[in-house]
Amino acid sequence: DAKTTQPNSMESNEEEPVHLPCNHSTISGTDYIHWYRQLPSQGPEYVIHGLTSNVNNRMASLAIAEDRKSSTLILHRATLRDAAVYYCIREPPGTYKYIFGTGTRLKVLA
Amino acid sequence: GAVVSQHPSWVICKSGTSVKIECRSLDFQATTMFWYRQFPKQSLMLMATSNEGSKATYEQGVEKDKFLINHASLTLSTLTVTSAHPEDSSFYICSATGRLTSGANVLTFGAGSRLTVL
Repeated sequence: DAKTTQPNSMESNEEEPVHLPCNHSTISGTDYIHWYRQLPSQGPEYVIHGLTSNVNNRMASLAIAEDRKSSTLILHRATLRDAAVYYCIREPPGTYKYIFGTGTRLKVLA
Repeated sequence: GAVVSQHPSWVICKSGTSVKIECRSLDFQATTMFWYRQFPKQSLMLMATSNEGSKATYEQGVEKDKFLINHASLTLSTLTVTSAHPEDSSFYICSATGRLTSGANVLTFGAGSRLTVL
């Protein structure tokens, strides 16, 4: 989706935090924000999702800007297994239609 | 729970032939399934939404006569690429949504099917 943009790639050192940004400036007030990641030749894997408030789970944290025009996925301690393409996704409420962003390829350096 | 299986995981076919890809929900009933296409180094693009027992809804620019979708049961949706050409070569991914016996709603992606048209 051209309206949901992410950096093409990012690098992080192992064991360090990673902040993956997403710009969704045209998001509607009720769209959910999801983050998935994808390994080569595999389907997307769920990471986290939210609507307005910041969210935490065992994998990551999601920080959503107050105006909801952007969000940031936070991996607290990157590991080599976190190397993947991370997608920011918006979902019109209740539709399950995922509109994928451009994706960020995360490289984790040992 | 909430496993979605795609078959085949990869397929090679000759130009002009048709190829069928299956998407199955293994442990839940999928009221709705979605089909995505992903070209190399690009994001996933939604092709169509498939509801059990009704005609699929296609996204703008997706040819419904080219990509036939059938969702005949609550656990199976199929995508048939008709008269395939090399430009149809892509990674096709399905997702399925439904409710587990616990009552929780789920959405799960399949592992994808890579189509190469020679």
